[in-house]
Amino acid sequence: SAVISQKPSRDICQRGTSLTIQCQVDSQVTMMFWYRQQPGQSLTLIATANQGSEATYESGFVIDKFPISRPNLTFSTLTVSNMSPEDSSIYLCSVEGHSGNTIYFGEGSWLTVV
Amino acid sequence: DAKTTQPTSMDCAEGRAANLPCNHSTISGNEYVYWYRQIHSQGPQYIIHGLKNNETNEMASLIITEDRKSSTLILPHATLRDTAVYYCIVRVAMVPEGAQKLVFGQGTRLTINP
Repeated sequence: SAVISQKPSRDICQRGTSLTIQCQVDSQVTMMFWYRQQPGQSLTLIATANQGSEATYESGFVIDKFPISRPNLTFSTLTVSNMSPEDSSIYLCSVEGHSGNTIYFGEGSWLTVV
Repeated sequence: DAKTTQPTSMDCAEGRAANLPCNHSTISGNEYVYWYRQIHSQGPQYIIHGLKNNETNEMASLIITEDRKSSTLILPHATLRDTAVYYCIVRVAMVPEGAQKLVFGQGTRLTINP
């Protein structure tokens, strides 16, 4: 399994500002995924981040709003830009295990925009 | 879109077996059935996965029908800590060119009652 740490675990932000969420993995992984979970909803994939290349965004998500960095095989960041109350969600980082069979999740970053 | 259908909610008595059904009638031959659970908005926790044979691990058993159009997750002796939302997901695994994403449906909210 992979141990995934996310920072911050929780934050309250002012609308119009931006917040960067960090994801650190205890081992090198090829693929990292960023999900969003709005209150009372299921998880929705934002983008897939491969080291050394641009992230691939899902329909409805754009790089200007959710820029992602993937500088090495153990780390990634997701920025939520120009936040509005609708961005209040849990943001989750996940990685694929070395066997390729299993995806593991961090504990999430709870974001409240006021 | 998610390729699975699950009941919205279920109840089970503590100490009894919890049987969670999932329909995946359009599953492809190379798609695995995965189960995750999410406890009180923590990050999703991997439970088990299988292709066509029944699988068992320390957490649960997975029974897949012969036609692979449905499956059942069995928690043999449910405890109060098993109260969570359980997600059934189909996914291609072990793809050489890279990871395949998990697409979450709404899941089943399982409540274990004392």
